[in-house]
Amino acid sequence: AQSVSQHNHHVILSEAASLELGCNYSYGGTVNLFWYVQYPGQHLQLLLKYFSGDPLVKGIKGFEAEFIKSKFSFNLRKPSVQWSDTAEYFCAGATNFGNEKLTFGTGTRLTIIP
Amino acid sequence: DSGVTQTPKHLITATGQRVTLRCSPRSGDLSVYWYQQSLDQGLQFLIQYYNGEERAKGNILERFSAQQFPDLHSELNLSSLELGDSALYFCASSGNGNIQYFGAGTRLSVL
Repeated sequence: AQSVSQHNHHVILSEAASLELGCNYSYGGTVNLFWYVQYPGQHLQLLLKYFSGDPLVKGIKGFEAEFIKSKFSFNLRKPSVQWSDTAEYFCAGATNFGNEKLTFGTGTRLTIIP
Repeated sequence: DSGVTQTPKHLITATGQRVTLRCSPRSGDLSVYWYQQSLDQGLQFLIQYYNGEERAKGNILERFSAQQFPDLHSELNLSSLELGDSALYFCASSGNGNIQYFGAGTRLSVL
């Protein structure tokens, strides 16, 4: 069965600290991977995506993620976080057939202390 | 703004009642997805429609149903509501690619 898991439930960092949020997936076949962010009271916004090609993908707001096939991982990183990055972050996967449902991880709540 | 519109934003109702949630996808997107977000279950896929036809079903209860109309908007109908149905219901749409754009959600409170 397809699944996505996020290990960190709640992460607390100070401003300017570096961030890495873990995501592991279990999919048969080729997978498309995504990171979404949900700011308090708002809808899900796409941060970045991986379909194929360069395993290091860059997204909006200075985020990046690395697809490591051998580890079934797609960790999210940011070298220096800001208070405005406080939000919930969701890793998600879909098969690459196009227009397929997303399977979400449980989410990681990120709190940045000024 | 994602271009996906959901109404209403908030819905408060009583157990046993029936409600309808509405979603208008981004212009030109043929696929519409419904997800439920609750504290205990996280984000769960409910159902997908593609150009008016049901495409995939997830963890959707029999009390819940959906449809997509010729103008591509979709409605999610929830009936015989229970306290446990209280959640955020998101709609998403996608076009030719595999990127889903989410609406702001409908927060359903069942009292």
